Amino acid sequence: EAGVAQSPRYKIIEKRQSVAFWCNPISGHATLYWYQQILGQGPKLLIQFQNNGVVDDSQLPKDRFSAERLKGVDSTLKIQPAKLEDSAVYLCASSLTYSGVVYNEQFFGPGTRLTVL
Amino acid sequence: AQSVTQLDSQVPVFEEAPVELRCNYSSSVSVYLFWYVQYPNQGLQLLLKYLSGSTLVKGINGFEAEFNKSQTSFHLRKPSVHISDTAEYFCAVSDRSSGTYKYIFGTGTRLKVLA
Repeated sequence: EAGVAQSPRYKIIEKRQSVAFWCNPISGHATLYWYQQILGQGPKLLIQFQNNGVVDDSQLPKDRFSAERLKGVDSTLKIQPAKLEDSAVYLCASSLTYSGVVYNEQFFGPGTRLTVL
Repeated sequence: AQSVTQLDSQVPVFEEAPVELRCNYSSSVSVYLFWYVQYPNQGLQLLLKYLSGSTLVKGINGFEAEFNKSQTSFHLRKPSVHISDTAEYFCAVSDRSSGTYKYIFGTGTRLKVLA
């Protein structure tokens, strides 16, 4: 079974530039999560999707971050414009949902390491 | 609001020695509890989880954890560590009642196994 795929693995940009990250969850996993992991901290949930609907985006800085999952499969997270403090690893995870029940184990991708200069 | 505290940011231990990584949580509702491991430049991998039932949970790679409701703790243990266990370990809590199963992670404990 293929795991959660993310690209790119690394990205370096200047502040005020834009950047986008892509995630393809495990096949059949209806629930998808984006996390931000700043160096020395635990992952922080940015947004959670169930199929193509947003379940929780309470910690997403909506003035600069956006995310979409148009067809309920893969997802894109965008930052526009980037700030220095956005330097972090962005992790995507997915979990199985069956008959409306979200199963608890989240499967994580390898992450995208973003450096903002 | 839920929170997770991992008191030890770094734990050095000699190979074949036992180790305990501490995790305390704060929640006013019933929770699910997890331990994840993160190797360098990799994503998080589930070690074990407590959903219900027996308070002693066994996971992969010889790790186990014990849920203690009265002390709101979920400490991770391994009786004999290997060099390959060197990694970052994260404790996480998920609210059983929220329906979204959002995870709150601790800040992590870096386990360094010494030869």
